[in-house]
Amino acid sequence: NAGVTQTPKFRVLKTGQSMTLLCAQDMNHEYMYWYRQDPGMGLRLIHYSVGEGTTAKGEVPDGYNVSRLKKQNFLLGLESAAPSQTSVYFCASSYSTQGGFFGPGTRLTVL
Amino acid sequence: AQSVTQLGSHVSVSEGALVLLRCNYSSSVPPYLFWYVQYPNQGLQLLLKYTSAATLVKGINGFEAEFKKSETSFHLTKPSAHMSDAAEYFCAVSDGGGSNYKLTFGKGTLLTVNP
Repeated sequence: NAGVTQTPKFRVLKTGQSMTLLCAQDMNHEYMYWYRQDPGMGLRLIHYSVGEGTTAKGEVPDGYNVSRLKKQNFLLGLESAAPSQTSVYFCASSYSTQGGFFGPGTRLTVL
Repeated sequence: AQSVTQLGSHVSVSEGALVLLRCNYSSSVPPYLFWYVQYPNQGLQLLLKYTSAATLVKGINGFEAEFKKSETSFHLTKPSAHMSDAAEYFCAVSDGGGSNYKLTFGKGTLLTVNP
């Protein structure tokens, strides 16, 4: 039981490049989330999904897209990376009111 | 809309002293409240949660928190700090359901434990 895993762990991009972050969970959770963490800002919700095939915008969705084609996977895409997207990205999954189970994070730097 | 305010971005205590990390929330519906801990370069680990059962909640590593509706607070305490408690702590609120159970986080409190 791996819980929530994230790929890759680190990535450096140049401005304008694209990439996809992969989140996978093996707990059969319906709900999945992408957050970004910036110093002094806490965690802010980017997008979330309440089930396979569904996605919705969170607090800071601009510049990101997501897809949930399979229940266990939640992908976060950056189509044209900007320096403002330099951050640590966390994926989480949950069921009902039990809070979120978080992955180890992806540290992204955009030059 | 929900929000969380953590009073004090940095708290410093001596080993063996009381730890008190403050969290106040705003929610239009009965809230579900959580405390998470983050050690350097790691993800978030759930410490404890309040989901409308007992107002005094005990968590892992000797931490506990009390839900006070009249004060809209959910402060985290530990009677005696240990060096291993040094980490960043996040308070979070959920609306308890609706349809998404998403969490709104405070900005975090960095706990330093001095020998």
